[in-house]
Amino acid sequence: GQQLNQSPQSMFIQEGEDVSMNCTSSSIFNTWLWYKQDPGEGPVLLIALYKAGELTSNGRLTAQFGITRKDSFLNISASIPSDVGIYFCAGQFTGTASKLTFGTGTRLQVTL
Amino acid sequence: DGGITQSPKYLFRKEGQNVTLSCEQNLNHDAMYWYRQDPGQGLRLIYYSQIVNDFQKGDIAEGYSVSREKKESFPLTVTSAQKNPTAFYLCASAGTRSSPLHFGNGTRLTVT
Repeated sequence: GQQLNQSPQSMFIQEGEDVSMNCTSSSIFNTWLWYKQDPGEGPVLLIALYKAGELTSNGRLTAQFGITRKDSFLNISASIPSDVGIYFCAGQFTGTASKLTFGTGTRLQVTL
Repeated sequence: DGGITQSPKYLFRKEGQNVTLSCEQNLNHDAMYWYRQDPGQGLRLIYYSQIVNDFQKGDIAEGYSVSREKKESFPLTVTSAQKNPTAFYLCASAGTRSSPLHFGNGTRLTVT
């Protein structure tokens, strides 16, 4: 099965810095989702995007659905220690069965 | 509180034994999913079910089996035919085929 290309794979940043990560696909999607996973836990939905070009915020998080429908990015502003975790993008094409295709994840570590 | 419950959190088995992982949801969701997560990789779909008494293979179904006799329950059996069963297993559900997935907290299976 396909997996999305997500970058960077990992990043170390200092508290207060802004973070940017992106996800690209060879296929188009109708929906882009961003999840965060803490160690030993299940992923938690952060933001859902349903329309090409859509820009959506959730607190310090902002995500955009790329115009080509083949990419998406997630920004985190003013990072804090609890932002540590793995961030996954996921694409869904609702014309088929509702299967999600997941990215390989971006591991974020925040130093004080 | 509504949610998805996976049990147990940790499971240890000897090679050659079948083992069943439990997933229960009280969200009244129609669709349920099983994913496998290996270190450094994204989530890969094992099986999914969009309605009671019906289920479909995902991308890596070999060595696994499922049943969907009740709307709220979707157990996964890892059979002895699965060559590399040690992994983190995540169950998810969705209200409709186009709704975002909500995940349980996972079961870590170790087979020695």
